[in-house]
Order: sequence, then C-alpha cells, then structure tokens
Amino acid sequence: QQQVKQSPQSLIVQKGGISIINCAYENTAFDYFPWYQQFPGKGPALLIAIRPDVSEKKEGRFTISFNKSAKQFSLHIMDSQPGDSATYFCAASTMETSGSRLTFGEGTQLTVNP
Amino acid sequence: EADIYQTPRYLVIGTGKKITLECSQTMGHDKMYWYQQDPGMELHLIHYSYGVNSTEKGDLSSESTVSRIRTEHFPLTLESARPSHTSQYLCASSESLSWTQYFGPGTRLLVL
Repeated sequence: QQQVKQSPQSLIVQKGGISIINCAYENTAFDYFPWYQQFPGKGPALLIAIRPDVSEKKEGRFTISFNKSAKQFSLHIMDSQPGDSATYFCAASTMETSGSRLTFGEGTQLTVNP
Repeated sequence: EADIYQTPRYLVIGTGKKITLECSQTMGHDKMYWYQQDPGMELHLIHYSYGVNSTEKGDLSSESTVSRIRTEHFPLTLESARPSHTSQYLCASSESLSWTQYFGPGTRLLVL
C-alpha cells in the first residue's frame, strides 16, 4: 500500500521558472513532512520540512505548502536553477516512542534547463 | 555535512556469494536505518535499529540481516546473493527523537 503518492514523476523547467512537486498522504497520524533532495551518486539530503500545525514554510527559494484537510503538501522551487536538477522525494513520518520512521514518495526527477 | 560512510560504494559479485555492506557514522546517533532503492525509484526501509543490540525489520521484506554491536556501526549482510538483490542500499542515522535522518552515499550492488 502506497501511503505517500508523489507527482509528477519527472519535471522539466526553464531556468528562472517555478518548479512544483505534489504529494498526497493517507495516514492521518503522520505529523512530519520532509522533502529530500538527491543528486546522482549521492544519498538523499534533507531540504526542508514542515509540521502540520503550519500551512506554509519558506527557506530561501524553497517553500512547502501544506493542506491538512486535503492531506496534501507540495514543494515550490522559485527561480529554478540548473543546479537544482536532482531527484526530489517527499516523505512523511510519525514520531514513535523510540524515533521516527520515514515513508517516502516515489520521487520526482527535476531537470532545469539553462 | 553528515559524517556517515558506506563501503564499498560499488560491488559486482556472483550469485551465491556472501556479502557484507558496511555503514559507519561518527555522530553518535542512536538510530540507524537501511533503505533499498532501485534506480529512480522510492526508498524502502528494510531494517532499522534504535540502539545497540536492537534491530527491527522494516516495511519491505528483505533476505538481508543486520547487526548493531556498536553504536557507530550497522552492517548489512546477505548470506547468498541473488540477481534479485541488485539494487542500491542506503544507510542513514538520526539522533534520538530527532526527525532528521542523515544518509550515506549508498552502495550500488550488482549480482550476476
């Protein structure tokens, strides 16, 4: 059962444009929603994350929008740059007694053309 | 920059061989994780550990086994490798009660 669904699978954007990646989740117990960025040959790295008590979080050019009632959240990359070309994964987690376990979306391969 | 290391980075091996993928972290994190990732696909949790002598199976069934004898070390072993084990294996760690997981660079395994 896929608990976190991510779209689109791939995305091509021109330099300076806005990249938007969407995720939807099913488990209402999830209370932490991170986005990870992965470059080829590297492990994923945390990009930005949000808790469900806020509807938006912005860090530089990256913004997470969160809609609790719709069980959806999205990543917006403003002024996209070729260096942003990577695979992006949304994830969701609950904080269990001993730590967090992440459930990942399928990933979006972003290409930003110069 | 997270101090988490995986060796080897690439491994090509024949069917039936025993292999051990190494993962070490120098951050003193209690929690460690193993994920399996096929190229361009999502990550699936196959094992995790919340401390020394604690290991649990993850969401994706795996024929691999893990051990956690030292805080900093979380090796993954396949007793008899098969072509179906061909994948990328990612190790991660996190502090107690922290949301953030730090990932190693991964090991790409090819079983012929």
